[in-house]
Amino acid sequence: DAGVIQSPRHEVTEMGQEVTLRCKPISGHNSLFWYRQTMMRGLELLIYFNNNVPIDDSGMPEDRFSAKMPNASFSTLKIQPSEPRDSAVYFCASSLTGGNIQYFGAGTRLSVL
Amino acid sequence: AQTVTQSQPEMSVQEAETVTLSCTYDTSESDYYLFWYKQPPSRQMILVIRQEAYKQQNATENRFSVNFQKAAKSFSLKISDSQLGDAAMYFCAYRILILTGGGNKLTFGTGTQLKVEL
Repeated sequence: DAGVIQSPRHEVTEMGQEVTLRCKPISGHNSLFWYRQTMMRGLELLIYFNNNVPIDDSGMPEDRFSAKMPNASFSTLKIQPSEPRDSAVYFCASSLTGGNIQYFGAGTRLSVL
Repeated sequence: AQTVTQSQPEMSVQEAETVTLSCTYDTSESDYYLFWYKQPPSRQMILVIRQEAYKQQNATENRFSVNFQKAAKSFSLKISDSQLGDAAMYFCAYRILILTGGGNKLTFGTGTQLKVEL
């Protein structure tokens, strides 16, 4: 398996623009997670899905952030409008519902100017 | 709420020597999992080792082993025969065993940057 695939690897945008990050989980995994990594806050969970349904979105910072999982093989994290403080590395991870290991993608480094 | 604490922001070790990274956690749960993840400069998060809290035996994976002290809520990682490729940020992480609700999410520590010197 190719592992968790995230795109793009790097994204540079200007403040106010819409940003969409994409994730393809490992085939057969039915839990998907979005994390954000910053120097100040470390790794923090934003949202996670089980069987395409959002289970816990308590980590989503504000209404500018939204996430969707339209099917078992694709998820998006959207920021609209983006702000410089959103600059971070965003990770997607997947696992089996009963599994105890989360497999991470390579991350998307987002820079908002 | 569960918290994970890594009190060593940076550690250094000589190649071929042994180093121990510390991690403590706080939880009221009795069943949970603990993990060590490695993040090299490539940014990829790689699972190093995991421990089930109900198992008394410490987990071992080749040169990596843990010292799990449940009563003390301590979970340290020992790297033996350190190699240059071990240089990375190491994160300790916690997950409760119950899968309902938010049980599947990981809580991470702040990380320890390990440097390996020749």
